[in-house]
Amino acid sequence: NAGVTQTPKFRILKIGQSMTLQCTQDMNHNYMYWYRQDPGMGLKLIYYSVGAGITDKGEVPNGYNVSRSTTEDFPLRLELAAPSQTSVYFCASSYLGWTEAFFGQGTRLTVV
Amino acid sequence: AQTVTQSQPEMSVQEAETVTLSCTYDTSENNYYLFWYKQPPSRQMILVIRQEAYKQQNATENRFSVNFQKAAKSFSLKISDSQLGDTAMYFCACIVPGAGSYQLTFGKGTKLSVIP
Repeated sequence: NAGVTQTPKFRILKIGQSMTLQCTQDMNHNYMYWYRQDPGMGLKLIYYSVGAGITDKGEVPNGYNVSRSTTEDFPLRLELAAPSQTSVYFCASSYLGWTEAFFGQGTRLTVV
Repeated sequence: AQTVTQSQPEMSVQEAETVTLSCTYDTSENNYYLFWYKQPPSRQMILVIRQEAYKQQNATENRFSVNFQKAAKSFSLKISDSQLGDTAMYFCACIVPGAGSYQLTFGKGTKLSVIP
């Protein structure tokens, strides 16, 4: 019963490097999301998708890109990593936009 | 856009006692949904309870219940018979389907410690 799977769980990047956070879900959900969680804060939406081929910006999209070529996968791309992108990243999916969101286990990213 | 406020950064409760976590929200829409999520030290976000704004009846899930006061825009979580496994961060969240972004807006969280 996999649910939402994120990889990697931990990563250290140097300033200016790029990387892709992978997210896949096996629940056939149309809605998928990327959030970031900074210390002492709740989660903030980076990007979301309501189906394959459709993505849109959330509250904090700068410095990130996404794509959604399949229902299952929703990778998040960081270009030119900056220290401000040090955070814990969560991928989530839901059947409808207002139903329960299922979260992955998170990726702790440190940019040095 | 909606906002969610949790005014209690930290709380503690004795095992087997009852505790209430506060949450207020603000939206100009009539159709919205409210959630409480739990984040234990494992970091996994887990849904505790969900409330539809159009339902007057307060949602209940086993030891967890809410007090939904729509006019006051208040959505508190009551945990009865607290257990050590309830130790976690608790986040209140709101989504407004009609707003177009399907964005779950979270509060800053309340860190709950259950004391043996």
